[in-house]
Amino acid sequence: DAGVTQSPTHLIKTRGQQVTLRCSPISGHKSVSWYQQVLGQGPQFIFQYYEKEERGRGNFPDRFSARQFPNYSSELNVNALLLGDSALYLCASSLGGSGWQETQYFGPGTRLLVL
Amino acid sequence: LAKTTQPISMDSYEGQEVNITCSHNNIATNDYITWYQQFPSQGPRFIIQGYKTKVTNEVASLFIPADRKSSTLSLPRVSLSDTAVYYCLVGASGAGSYQLTFGKGTKLSVIP
Repeated sequence: DAGVTQSPTHLIKTRGQQVTLRCSPISGHKSVSWYQQVLGQGPQFIFQYYEKEERGRGNFPDRFSARQFPNYSSELNVNALLLGDSALYLCASSLGGSGWQETQYFGPGTRLLVL
Repeated sequence: LAKTTQPISMDSYEGQEVNITCSHNNIATNDYITWYQQFPSQGPRFIIQGYKTKVTNEVASLFIPADRKSSTLSLPRVSLSDTAVYYCLVGASGAGSYQLTFGKGTKLSVIP
C-alpha cells in the first residue's frame, strides 16, 4: 500500500510569492495534518483537517491556509512568502475517528526554499 | 498548550538500553503522550503511545508516572540504526480545536 505522498518534493520561491503544497493520505485515512519543520527544530503544528473540516490550528499567521477535498487529499497554501517560511513541510494522515491522538503517518515532506 | 522539555542529545554504545525522558508539566487530563523517531530528510515515524503506567511494544517501552508530568521512552539494546532524533508529542484540546506540540527532540547517537 502507498504511504502518504507529498508534492512537490522540493520548491524554490522568492519573497512575496505564493505556494501550494499537496498531500495524499493513506487510503482509508480521513484526517490530514500539516507541520512546518525548520532545520534543527521539531515539527510545528499548522493545521489538522478531518472530513473536510478544520479540527485544529497552530499559531501561524493568516498567510497560511489549507483545505481538504472530498477524496481526503489536502492542500496547504502560503501567501506572501517570507524568508522565514523556508522549511520542510510535512503532511501526516490518520484514520481520523478518534482525534489527534491517533497514530499519524508522515509523508517525506516538501522542502521549500524562499529566496 | 502543553510544553515539553527533552535533553538535546544523548550518546550510547551499541547493545545498551537507552532511556529518554520528556517533561510535560501542564499535560491535560485526557491527553496521551506519543513518541516519534525521525531520520534525516524523512518524516517522523510513530514509535509508541501511552496514557499512564507502562506500555510496551516490539520496539520500545514507555513509562509514565502517576502524576503524568513526565514520560520516559526506553529503547532496549540499541543498534547503529537507532541513531535518530526522538520527539515526544503531547496534545492539548480546547474550544473544540486541537493543538499538537512536538518537543525540540533528542538526538540519539549510537556508538559502535
